[in-house]
Amino acid sequence: EAQVTQNPRYLITVTGKKLTVTCSQNMNHEYMSWYRQDPGLGLRQIYYSMNVEVTDKGDVPEGYKVSRKEKRNFPLILESPSPNQTSLYFCASSLMAGGPYEQYFGPGTRLTVT
Amino acid sequence: AQSVAQPEDQVNVAEGNPLTVKCTYSVSGNPYLFWYVQYPNRGLQFLLKYITGDNLVKGSYGFEAEFNKSQTSFHLKKPSALVSDSALYFCAVRDAAGGSYIPTFGRGTSLIVHP
Repeated sequence: EAQVTQNPRYLITVTGKKLTVTCSQNMNHEYMSWYRQDPGLGLRQIYYSMNVEVTDKGDVPEGYKVSRKEKRNFPLILESPSPNQTSLYFCASSLMAGGPYEQYFGPGTRLTVT
Repeated sequence: AQSVAQPEDQVNVAEGNPLTVKCTYSVSGNPYLFWYVQYPNRGLQFLLKYITGDNLVKGSYGFEAEFNKSQTSFHLKKPSALVSDSALYFCAVRDAAGGSYIPTFGRGTSLIVHP
């Protein structure tokens, strides 16, 4: 089954404790992206990757890091989480950046930073 | 620059009635337009898209959307709403002329279908 998986689905952590949210897709997609969803603000893009070893900042990259060492994986790293990073996070992928390609979304990771 | 607006935070409709969720966009070239749905505690799911050609696009779960170039709109419609259609709906746009490889999402519209 074609899918995007994220882990963990739920995470409660404390300020400053480094964490990683994993994302993996099995569709051989070139483009992958991370979003955060907050009430009243919709979806905001954090980082994206157009292919292996190619990443770039989205609209709200501060406090986040990403890497794309393999085509299928695109982990999101919070090196020193803060309470304002409490949010619902989604990973997404599409066949390519650009073009008329829809995105496939993971189930989401709900992060709480205390 | 590209942008998209969903002017209604919430739409209420009775089951069995037709529904419309509005979306307007702005691009410098021609648009690629998308609708996604998010059910509670789930990720976004693709519903339908407009690339070119026929202005009426049909998608999943009986939804359709009408592309109107003169009004720069891409409203989502369904002839008869179901309670199970209650969800959050997102419109997204990407400028086919390039400049940005990344789609822009609207803020979402909460659709509530009353029994």
